[in-house]
Amino acid sequence: EAGVTQSPTHLIKTRGQQATLRCSPISGHTSVYWYQQALGLGLQFLLWYDEGEERNRGNFPPRFSGRQFPNYSSELNVNALELEDSALYLCASSLERGRSNEQFFGPGTRLTVL
Amino acid sequence: SQQGEEDPQALSIQEGENATMNCSYKTSINNLQWYRQNSGRGLVHLILIRSNEREKHSGRLRVTLDTSKKSSSLLITASRAADTASYFCATDEGAQKLVFGQGTRLTINP
Repeated sequence: EAGVTQSPTHLIKTRGQQATLRCSPISGHTSVYWYQQALGLGLQFLLWYDEGEERNRGNFPPRFSGRQFPNYSSELNVNALELEDSALYLCASSLERGRSNEQFFGPGTRLTVL
Repeated sequence: SQQGEEDPQALSIQEGENATMNCSYKTSINNLQWYRQNSGRGLVHLILIRSNEREKHSGRLRVTLDTSKKSSSLLITASRAADTASYFCATDEGAQKLVFGQGTRLTINP
């Protein structure tokens, strides 16, 4: 069974640009989560999508947004990129909300903002 | 905010020895999960222990949970070079988000 996949593996942008990161969950999983792992800040929860709706977001500005498609894949968009947005962005999926919330992670997208 | 605090921050042992990492947290939890991360790549899910469980095993892994002390430990027995990685605990406080600690960097020396 295929795991969570993310694309691209690496992404290089300049300040002020927009970045789009993509995630495909494990087949049968309906919830998708996004986390940011920045150097020195650890893993921070960004967003949770379930059944196409944003269900929860972490303490990030509105320029971090995303969506979930009918096939449960998801996009994370970061607008007006800043240098401190450079980080590893991890996507995770879980079977459904309200259960054990066992989350399985993809390999990540490393975003570098120059 | 970081809920879990792993201890130690770094651990270096010889191959074949056992490695123990600890995690403390502050609030009530539904469950606690341990993950492994190799060289800044994705997280590999190791084990989930529910708040009503005290101990769980998976292969060479043994996890304990003490909700009265708000702490958990991960034991890796008979360590191998391939176990070299960072290990994170993550707590589920509800609202579906996981809160991670800063991790323990484990190095297995051949």
